Amino acid sequence: GAGVSQSPSNKVTEKGKDVELRCDPISGHTALYWYRQSLGQGLEFLIYFQGNSAPDKSGLPSDRFSAERTGGSVSTLTIQRTQQEDSAVYLCASSPAAGGNSYEQYFGPGTRLTVT
Amino acid sequence: KNEVEQSPQNLTAQEGEFITINCSYSVGISALHWLQQHPGGGIVSLFMLSSGKKKHGRLIATINIQEKHSSLHITASHPRDSAVYICAVREYGNKLVFGAGTILRVKS
Repeated sequence: GAGVSQSPSNKVTEKGKDVELRCDPISGHTALYWYRQSLGQGLEFLIYFQGNSAPDKSGLPSDRFSAERTGGSVSTLTIQRTQQEDSAVYLCASSPAAGGNSYEQYFGPGTRLTVT
Repeated sequence: KNEVEQSPQNLTAQEGEFITINCSYSVGISALHWLQQHPGGGIVSLFMLSSGKKKHGRLIATINIQEKHSSLHITASHPRDSAVYICAVREYGNKLVFGAGTILRVKS
């Protein structure tokens, strides 16, 4: 079946512009995660959605970052007034559920964001 | 100190060698994941484990909860195993905390 898809695959933007990154999780997966991988750095957690519960935003680095998940499926990560340090690969993952049980996460191919 | 420490950071092996990558963590966890990332490629989940040992093909993952340590073993390594291997732990919550990764290169 289809895996997690992300769009665009690459995005180049000028400093100060807003960008939107999209994630389509695997159908039926209720949990959705956003991660960031900066050049030469490890992965870091950004935000997590589970069903209709309030999202866990504890990893968002600043108030310029926000995310929403409409209808419990597609998610959009928005970065306002982009800065050069926002340049990274943004990865989305989904899993069947979360909370008390741990499930494998299935990763999308990522969106490479370059802020010039 | 990072919550998740991996070793070695870089590893070069000859084809056919047995490879071990180690992961130590300092927090209580509900599960540990081993992930594989090929250059320019996406991330694939290899294992998720909370106790004992799992095997998939030439890959074996073990975890010792008391010692807060996990190992990923690759038997009969092959050049196509060349990738970054990442250990990630799920704390008692929602997020994964990642190690810095081990860059593995297997030479033919």
